[in-house]
This record gives sequence, structure tokens and C-alpha cells, in this order.
Amino acid sequence: DIQMTQSPSSLSASVGDRVTITCRASQGIGNSLAWFQQKPGKAPESLIYDASSLESGVPSKFSGSGSGTDFTLTINSLRPEDFATYYCQQYNSYPLTFGGGTKVEIK
Amino acid sequence: QVQLAESGGGVVQPGRSLRLSCAASGFTFDNHGMHWVRQAPGKGLDWVAIIWHDGRNENYADSVKGRFIISRDNSKNTLYLQMNSLRVEDTAVYYCARDSGRGRVISARPDSWGQGTLVTVSS
Repeated sequence: DIQMTQSPSSLSASVGDRVTITCRASQGIGNSLAWFQQKPGKAPESLIYDASSLESGVPSKFSGSGSGTDFTLTINSLRPEDFATYYCQQYNSYPLTFGGGTKVEIK
Repeated sequence: QVQLAESGGGVVQPGRSLRLSCAASGFTFDNHGMHWVRQAPGKGLDWVAIIWHDGRNENYADSVKGRFIISRDNSKNTLYLQMNSLRVEDTAVYYCARDSGRGRVISARPDSWGQGTLVTVSS
């Protein structure tokens, strides 16, 4: 199975900050990586697919990069509604696996 | 607008069975694969299973293989998860999610999610 390791597990940031979250795969997955945002008590929402493609309707302040084993999610100009937990997911091979999540909190 | 509505959750004793349903609307159901993903209280996302658009292929997480069965009824636009031999560690919110693949192609990436149904396994 492919293990997905996210770092950090949590971070504190201020409104207006730029934050970067990393996701590392235990073996190469090409660009088969997605990022999701989840707010408390809500279902996840898709942000990015194929490592760097933005889902329809997602603001361009979100961006993704990487390929192979190392990936990043960057969020520019943090707004109050961006404080949430973010997950990566590999879909290169079964079983599909998620990272452990990164909680972005208000400083 | 894609809508997915899970139902069937509840409290069940270890070793018993439960069947979850997911009613789909707002898209052509039989054009898409479907997933179940779960989330234990306070924990991260955990993929459970996927079924192809026509129901002829499935894939499961090792933790549920042999105990859970994913199925679908395309005439009713409904996805199911039959959960047998339930364990305490199966306690979670269970989400159904649409696969993002178009034209009956599987991408293995969920793109739309329901609001989830809570399953609690406890004696």
C-alpha cells in the first residue's frame, strides 16, 4: 500500500498569510494526487486534482504542485473561511489512501 | 447539482450487520463509479470501497475486505454498503462520493460527497 504523509499535522496562521502544506508518497504516484478541504462537521470538498489542476469554482488562491513522491498545497491570502483541515489523496493505485490531514488554525 | 444523501446509520452491536444507502441525484448515476469513505470520530479520512459504473467491478480496503460489500441499483440511482461482522473500530461517519471519471471511466478520485451517516458499533 502507498502511505501518504502530510506535514505539518497542524499550523497556526493569520488572516492574509500564505501557507504551504506538504504531502509525501511512500512510492512514486506520478501526478495522481488530489487535495480536499474539510470544515468541522461538514463533508470534504475537492480543491485540486492531478496535483495541480484546480476544481471548477475553486478560487485561484489555492494552488498545487509536485509529481512523483513530493507534493505541496499553497494557500495565498488566508481568509477566515480557509481555516479548515486539508487532506491529500493518492489515486495511482489501490487501495486508495489519504494523508493524515493538516489542520490550519487561526493564530 | 450533484446531490448525495446517505442513510441507514445507527448504533449496532459488534458482530452484527448494517446496510447503508446513498441516494443520488443531479447527475447521470450509471455514468460514474462510486466510493464509500469513512471518518472515525476526530480522525482522518479512510477510503473503504469503490464500485464501477455498471456494478461489475469493485475494490476494497484491506480492513473491510471479506466483511463489507459495495453494490448499486442503477434503476434506483442508489448506492449501498452492506456491512457484516461489524467491529468497534468500524465506528465512523460513512460518506458516499461520486467518482470524477467521465463517460464510464474510473478515475479513482472522489469529486462530490454526501453529508455522511454515523455508524456506531458498541455493546
